[in-house]
Amino acid sequence: DVVMTQSPLSLPVTLGQPASISCRSSQSLVSSDGDTFLTWFQQRPGQSPRRLLSKVSNRDSGVPDRFSGSGSGTDFTLKISRVEAEDVATYFCMQGTHWPRTFGQGTKVEI
Amino acid sequence: EVQLLESGGGLVQPGGSLRLSCAASGFTVSDYAMSWVRQAAGKGLEWVSIISSSGSIDYSDSVKGRFTISRDNAKNTLYLQMNTLRAEDTAVYYCAKDWLFDDWGQGTLVTVSS
Repeated sequence: DVVMTQSPLSLPVTLGQPASISCRSSQSLVSSDGDTFLTWFQQRPGQSPRRLLSKVSNRDSGVPDRFSGSGSGTDFTLKISRVEAEDVATYFCMQGTHWPRTFGQGTKVEI
Repeated sequence: EVQLLESGGGLVQPGGSLRLSCAASGFTVSDYAMSWVRQAAGKGLEWVSIISSSGSIDYSDSVKGRFTISRDNAKNTLYLQMNTLRAEDTAVYYCAKDWLFDDWGQGTLVTVSS
């Protein structure tokens, strides 16, 4: 199985300041058709996960543009340009290229 | 608007069985791949099972042979039959839509304990 490793696991942030989360995979996430299926989810306390970004950098509908994704191959990053209070959550990366789907351990973003 | 509503969780003894349901609205379940994903308390996410739009099925190694995924097209509902439950199956179970989990339900809690 593909192992997804996130860092840091805990991220203290300051409102209005940027934040960055790293996600690394044990194998390349480039698929046979050239797409890279790296997905980011946000899980606020007491809520179910919500997809933020797919295929590395494609934001889902309604996701603020302060969230951005980048990376390639095995190394990916989620960035929040200016953290807001509603961004307090745990963030998970997931690879969708290989079966079974596997997730990172999660990064808890706290003010 | 897509909505997914899980039900059927509860307390069950080790070795027991439960059937989870995921009632969908706003889309047709049989038109999409649908998955079950679980999350133990304070832990990360684990994919459990998937049924594709064509009916192909797959399971994680941890549940293979014990869990069965299915859907009822008339009821627009996804199911997960869980047999021979173990303590390590204790988790919140979510249903999720499509190959990359673009929508999730609110989850249903399964507790396996004597």
